[in-house]
Amino acid sequence: DAGVIQSPRHEVTEMGQEVTLRCKPISGHNSLFWYRQTMMRGLELLIYFNNNVPIDDSGMPEDRFSAKMPNASFSTLKIQPSEPRDSAVYFCASSTTPKETQYFGPGTRLLVL
Amino acid sequence: KQEVTQIPAALSVPEGENLVLNCSFTDSAIYNLQWFRQDPGKGLTSLLLIQSSQREQTSGRLNASLDKSSGRSTLYIAASQPGDSATYLCAASGNQFYFGTGTSLTVIP
Repeated sequence: DAGVIQSPRHEVTEMGQEVTLRCKPISGHNSLFWYRQTMMRGLELLIYFNNNVPIDDSGMPEDRFSAKMPNASFSTLKIQPSEPRDSAVYFCASSTTPKETQYFGPGTRLLVL
Repeated sequence: KQEVTQIPAALSVPEGENLVLNCSFTDSAIYNLQWFRQDPGKGLTSLLLIQSSQREQTSGRLNASLDKSSGRSTLYIAASQPGDSATYLCAASGNQFYFGTGTSLTVIP
């Protein structure tokens, strides 16, 4: 299995621009998680889906962030408009159920200038 | 809100030494406790998952224990090797998922 796939791996954009991060979970995994990692705040859960349905989005920082999972093999995290404080590494992870081992993707390193 | 703490933040040991990493959590109502490894610039790799009904899990040179009543988990690494150098994070899973800030381990050859 290829593992969790994230794209792009690196993204540099200017403040105010829209950013879309993509994730393909491991085939057969029903749960998908979006995390953000910064030096200041560590690793934070933004949102997670189970069977393509958002279960808990309480970690989404504000309305500028949105996430979708249109099918079992694809999810997006969108930031519109982006701000410099959104600069971080964004990880996607998947698992068979929300309570089982999570497998992480390599992350997308986002820099907003 | 669950708070997960890992102490120490950094640890340096000579190769071959046995070591223990600590993780504490404030809310004992967890489903499981996971230990991850993160190499610089990389994603997280799951090492061990302990269900709330379990006391410990073992994988090779790694042994993780869980004491829900005291809100603690430990990761024991036997006969450490330079390849074990990485940041180790624990995560408590309840209705939400909370990660500790990690312990950065350096094993000196």
